[in-house]
Parts: sequence; structure tokens; C-alpha cells
Amino acid sequence: NAGVMQNPRHLVRRRGQEARLRCSPMKGHSHVYWYRQLPEEGLKFMVYLQKENIIDESGMPKERFSAEFPKEGPSILRIQQVVRGDSAAYFCASSPPGTGPNGYTFGSGTRLTVV
Amino acid sequence: GQQLNQSPQSMFIQEGEDVSMNCTSSSIFNTWLWYKQDPGEGPVLLIALYKAGELTSNGRLTAQFGITRKDSFLNISASIPSDVGIYFCAGRSNDYKLSFGAGTTVTVRA
Repeated sequence: NAGVMQNPRHLVRRRGQEARLRCSPMKGHSHVYWYRQLPEEGLKFMVYLQKENIIDESGMPKERFSAEFPKEGPSILRIQQVVRGDSAAYFCASSPPGTGPNGYTFGSGTRLTVV
Repeated sequence: GQQLNQSPQSMFIQEGEDVSMNCTSSSIFNTWLWYKQDPGEGPVLLIALYKAGELTSNGRLTAQFGITRKDSFLNISASIPSDVGIYFCAGRSNDYKLSFGAGTTVTVRA
């Protein structure tokens, strides 16, 4: 997982607070993907971004969740007014242009706990 | 999204044994991928399969892409303690999206 940096590794939030998860892709990777993993389940696609563009957010809940990948800086996944059901591991992957999932490198994830 | 059924859900094996797990889908995939996830880490790609019927090896790992394009299996031969972890199958849905199985948890008895 070297190269895709996610922080924080662990995040605890009270219900109603905001959670901000950061992902810095590997050098040379301009495509970022966010996946969510609930306990004892596989990863589920949330959103696919390129620099300054959201390409596909079909896996993201319509309310409270948003994602961005600005021209400068990391990609941010923001969850507003968190609820207990948001507790999960959130993984970011990046890839170079043109490789798609075959070229994914995953980060180590952010484990969000809502209390 | 597509539903992937991965089995078994978990397994305890003796060191030196061979391990087999499989994944089936209700949909056709063009690519099957197998990942391993260690505790507290993200998934790491083990093997990628691109063609129906393809059999690919990576060290002690062997995986096959089913002829129907709706299934795949992974074999681990002569298991060792570091094989402990969760193994996920994933199918490539389109140019950028993966659908994952729920995982097979492997625990090795020394």
C-alpha cells in the first residue's frame, strides 16, 4: 500500500459531528476512488474522481456525503452529521490514467467510529 | 451493484495444506481480481485474470477465470503462517469500478 496515504488512520466522532477523510494518491496518479467497508463485508464503491471532477458518485449516499479532489491537495471525503451506521473503514485507491481497477493501489484506510 | 458470492466465509487450515476458495456472480465480468487484506491494512492485489478460461499463477497462488465469466477460484498451495488474512474476489464492472465479494478469512494453525 506504499504511496497512497490516507489520514487519519482512526477517527472517532460523536453523532451529529462532521468527519473529514483525506487521501493523497500515489505520485503520477490522477484518478481517485473511494470505497467503504462495513464490518465483515467486502468493499463497496462510493465515488470516482479525477482532478477537479466527480466522474461517478453513484455509490455515495445522496445526503450528508460529499467528495472532492481539488487541483492542489488531497482528495477529501466529507460526512456531515454522522450517524452510527456510518461507522466503517473507508478506503481510497488511486490509479494512473487508462488503467482502471487493474492499476488500483489502495491506501491503508480510515476507520471511522461514530459514538 | 453486482452481487458476488464468495465461499467459504472462513477456514482454519493446517500449515502445509492447500486452500481453495471461490467466487460466483449473477453477472458477467471481463476481469476478475483477487486481493488479500491484512488486519488494519488495505487490500493488496494478488492476481488479475483477463480472459475466460485463463489460469494464472503467482508463486504458491493459482487462480482461474471461469469459462462462463461468472466465477473464479483461488488456490493457495502449501500454506504458511503469513497466508493468514482475508481474501477478496472482485469483478470489474466497467472501466473503473470493482464489485467485491464478502471475503474468505483464512487462519492457519501452525
